[in-house]
Amino acid sequence: GNSVTQMEGPVTLSEEAFLTINCTYTATGYPSLFWYVQYPGEGLQLLLKATKADDKGSNKGFEATYRKETTSFHLEKGSVQVSDSAVYFCALSDSSGNTGKLIFGQGTTLQVKP
Amino acid sequence: DAGVIQSPRHEVTEMGQEVTLRCKLISGHNSLFWYRQTMMRGLELLIYFNNNVPIDDSGMPEDRFSAKMPNASFSTLKIQPSEPRDSAVYFCASSPSGTRIIGGELFFGEGSRLTVL
Repeated sequence: GNSVTQMEGPVTLSEEAFLTINCTYTATGYPSLFWYVQYPGEGLQLLLKATKADDKGSNKGFEATYRKETTSFHLEKGSVQVSDSAVYFCALSDSSGNTGKLIFGQGTTLQVKP
Repeated sequence: DAGVIQSPRHEVTEMGQEVTLRCKLISGHNSLFWYRQTMMRGLELLIYFNNNVPIDDSGMPEDRFSAKMPNASFSTLKIQPSEPRDSAVYFCASSPSGTRIIGGELFFGEGSRLTVL
């Protein structure tokens, strides 16, 4: 079945460091791919998405490119801030064509220190 | 505009008691998802509805769990009887996606943290 694998955390960085969080997926068909972010005590929020191969999603300085050849959707940011500390989830849509069901990875905790 | 609203935010109960979690969808959304989040298992989809109809409940752990949508804007998730292993954060999410639209965004509530002693 469809699945998502993320790099294990926590990831600890200093402010202004470069961030990469790896995400790979297994899926039949052509799913859409997402990154969600969860700040402490809150629900998940959509950060960015890509709906087809080679698409690049971007938002708030974060980027991820849909790589079908490597089945990956790695999240990157050039210069992280303390306010980026959160849990990041990679997800893919159920490509069976029914509703908006999403399958999430385990989440990666990012801690940014001043 | 109000987002997805969940209640209660926190619930502490004793094993064997009935627990009811509530969710109000964003107006105009027609898909509703219940997720459970734990450290060990991450985010698990329990059940989802489209236009008030349950589409897939294969993630519901066992018969102690039940979910309903009595109307287009409201849902409940009930656990009866509750057990300590049910302790988790339960999220409700809604989406404007129709039955054949994929790739849509889910809008999450802030979650209900359940502790069963």
